Amino acid sequence: EAQVTQNPRYLITVTGKKLTVTCSQNMNHEYMSWYRQDPGLGLRQIYYSMNVEVTDKGDVPEGYKVSRKEKRNFPLILESPSPNQTSLYFCASSTGGQGHYEQYFGPGTRLTVT
Amino acid sequence: AQSVAQPEDQVNVAEGNPLTVKCTYSVSGNPYLFWYVQYPNRGLQFLLKYITGDNLVKGSYGFEAEFNKSQTSFHLKKPSALVSDSALYFCAVRDRSGGYQKVTFGTGTKLQVIP
Repeated sequence: EAQVTQNPRYLITVTGKKLTVTCSQNMNHEYMSWYRQDPGLGLRQIYYSMNVEVTDKGDVPEGYKVSRKEKRNFPLILESPSPNQTSLYFCASSTGGQGHYEQYFGPGTRLTVT
Repeated sequence: AQSVAQPEDQVNVAEGNPLTVKCTYSVSGNPYLFWYVQYPNRGLQFLLKYITGDNLVKGSYGFEAEFNKSQTSFHLKKPSALVSDSALYFCAVRDRSGGYQKVTFGTGTKLQVIP
């Protein structure tokens, strides 16, 4: 089954404790992206990757890191989480090309930072 | 910079009536436009997209959207609403003029279909 998986689905942590949210897709997609969803703000893009070893900032990259060492994986790293990073996070992937391909979304990771 | 506006936080419609969820956009070049739907406690699912050509685009579950370049709009429509259509709807844009890597979403519109 074609899918995007994220782990963990739920996470409660404390300020400053480094964490990683994993994302994996089995569709051989070139493009992968991370978003956060907050009430009243919709989805905002954090980082995206056009292919292995090619990443770039989205609209809200501060406090986050990513890496793309393998085509299927695109982990999101919070080196020193803060309460304002409490949010619902989504990973997505799509075929590359010229941007007219729809994205496939993971189920989401609900992060709470206390 | 590109942007998307969904002016209505919530739209209420009676079952069987037509529905419209509004979206306007701003890009420097020509857009790729998308609609996604999010059911409670789920990720987003693709509904339909506009790339080029016919301004009326048909998608999943009987939804369609009309691209209007002069009004920079891409409103989502359905002739007859179902209770099961109740969900959160997001419009998204990619500027095909070199900035297509970035995707900008609107703030979402909650659709409530009343039985």
